[in-house]
Amino acid sequence: DVVMTQSPLSLPVTLGQSASISCRSSQNLVFSDGNTYLNWFQQRPGQSPRRLIYKVSNRDSGVPDRFSGSGSGTDFTLKISRVEAEDAGVYYCMQGTHWPPYTFGQGTKLEIK
Amino acid sequence: EVQLVESGGGLVQHGGSLRLSCTTSGFTFSSYWMGWVRQAPEKGLEWVANIKQDGSEKYYVDSVKGRFTISRDNAKNSLYLQMNSLRAEDTAVYYCARAFSYETDYFDYWGQGTLVTVSS
Repeated sequence: DVVMTQSPLSLPVTLGQSASISCRSSQNLVFSDGNTYLNWFQQRPGQSPRRLIYKVSNRDSGVPDRFSGSGSGTDFTLKISRVEAEDAGVYYCMQGTHWPPYTFGQGTKLEIK
Repeated sequence: EVQLVESGGGLVQHGGSLRLSCTTSGFTFSSYWMGWVRQAPEKGLEWVANIKQDGSEKYYVDSVKGRFTISRDNAKNSLYLQMNSLRAEDTAVYYCARAFSYETDYFDYWGQGTLVTVSS
């Protein structure tokens, strides 16, 4: 199974500053069709997960452009610019290239200082 | 508007059974892979099972193989998860999710979740 490793696991951020979350996979996530199936999800306290980014860098509809995804192969990053209070929550990366199983990272808890 | 609504969770004894349902609306259900993802208390997300559009392919995480069965009824726009031989480690919130299409990629919509508690 592909292991997804996120860092840091806890991320205190001051309002207005930037935040960056790393996600590393134990195998290259490029699929045979040329796509890289790496997604990012946000889970606010008490809510269901919400997808933010798909295929490494594509933002979902309604996601602020403060959120951006990048990376390739086994190394990926979610960056949040100008952090706002509503960004507090847990962020997960997930791979859909080598399945089953689909695997998630452990989660990174972003807290606003 | 895409909606997924889970039901059927509750308290069950170790070794017991439960059937979860997910009723959907706002999209062409039969065009999508569908799946279940769970989250144990204060833990991360774990994929549980997926099912192809016509039900011809089903996949499970190893820990539930032989105990859980995913199914769907395209006429009712509904997804199901039959859970047998439940264990304490199956205690979690179970989310129904729209799992995949080439146009929308993986897990783009999720339900609100239903809590399953297995007592020992």
